[in-house]
Amino acid sequence: AQSVSQHNHHVILSEAASLELGCNYSYGGTVNLFWYVQYPGQHLQLLLKYFSGDPLVKGIKGFEAEFIKSKFSFNLRKPSVQWSDTAEYFCAVNAQSNTGKLIFGQGTTLQVKP
Amino acid sequence: DGGITQSPKYLFRKEGQNVTLSCEQNLNHDAMYWYRQDPGQGLRLIYYSQIVNDFQKGDIAEGYSVSREKKESFPLTVTSAQKNPTAFYLCASSSGGGPTEAFFGQGTRLTVV
Repeated sequence: AQSVSQHNHHVILSEAASLELGCNYSYGGTVNLFWYVQYPGQHLQLLLKYFSGDPLVKGIKGFEAEFIKSKFSFNLRKPSVQWSDTAEYFCAVNAQSNTGKLIFGQGTTLQVKP
Repeated sequence: DGGITQSPKYLFRKEGQNVTLSCEQNLNHDAMYWYRQDPGQGLRLIYYSQIVNDFQKGDIAEGYSVSREKKESFPLTVTSAQKNPTAFYLCASSSGGGPTEAFFGQGTRLTVV
């Protein structure tokens, strides 16, 4: 069965530290990849997405992610985090091109200390 | 403003009662989805609908039912057959026809006592 795995469940960083959140998926075919963020008390919103083309994609708020097909990975990065980045982050995969069904990872809670 | 509205935000029900969660969208999206969010498990797909009057089971459909009589509405009923209904429920929609960004509502937290 298709699955998505996020390696870090809870990450604590100080402001200005660099961030990398791991995401691996299990599916051998074509995939579309997403990172969503859920700020406290807010709805889930899209950070960035990859469908095709340049494997390094840039999203909102200074986030970027790199798709490495050979490693089945789509890790999220940010060079310098801010207190306002405190949130829960979800990696998601769409493995059926004719629907928008998403398979989500377990989520990573990021806490940024001021 | 365009978006997805879920109501109510908090819902309490007694064990053994059916309860219906509302989801309305004004984005003119064809596809709608229901996910369940539990701590440490991410989001899991309950049901989805790609077009009016059609819907498909997701990964955890047992104990749930849906209808899609109107394009803008996709209510979810949590039945008494659902063994562990206390959870955070998220509704989403997308323009359909393939992989696109899904937009999410603010969720309904259901507590069954």
